[in-house]
Amino acid sequence: DAGITQSPRHKVTETGTPVTLRCHQTENHRYMYWYRQDPGHGLRLIHYSYGVKDTDKGEVSDGYSVSRSKTEDFLLTLESATSSQTSVYFCAISVGGDQPQHFGDGTRLSIL
Amino acid sequence: SQQGEEDPQALSIQEGENATMNCSYKTSINNLQWYRQNSGRGLVHLILIRSNEREKHSGRLRVTLDTSKKSSSLLITASRAADTASYFCAPLIQGAQKLVFGQGTRLTINP
Repeated sequence: DAGITQSPRHKVTETGTPVTLRCHQTENHRYMYWYRQDPGHGLRLIHYSYGVKDTDKGEVSDGYSVSRSKTEDFLLTLESATSSQTSVYFCAISVGGDQPQHFGDGTRLSIL
Repeated sequence: SQQGEEDPQALSIQEGENATMNCSYKTSINNLQWYRQNSGRGLVHLILIRSNEREKHSGRLRVTLDTSKKSSSLLITASRAADTASYFCAPLIQGAQKLVFGQGTRLTINP
């Protein structure tokens, strides 16, 4: 596997609490992505980053924020978690926006 | 709306047979990528085909692209039990830096 680590791998929390998911890479890739995967919806892009402090929204960005202060780390924050954000979250990296992406093994997040 | 739409949604075949999965998309693309996902794991990149290519091979995988029909197909020859997984196509829309995934084809290889 490409050097991508997602943490935590599993998390259960309550509605209204803040949640931060971390993606760490050791590949020095410029691009990093956050997706969520839900039955019936496939994989949907939340936010992505094309460099340190450079981020943009994906198709399902409402309720999520991201930060990238270092090349190797891309954080996804749910400011006030809702049950609709229960999902499996995947981080991916790539050397360029048109290049193959390499995925982490996901974070399973349950919001009760 | 999703750009990459796979067909069929599920496919079950016997080991040794060939498996064909199709993908349709809606707008002009720079390239189209295929990924595999084993249960409980992240997606794994299989093959990338550029908009000016018509066919590409990688081992037992063969991908075709027809930009006039906005469609692609993935053929897995001589299937094995280890090929059991979900397969996703992801077109890279022209002018964008984002892949758009479909819901995938769930492939089951029966021994």
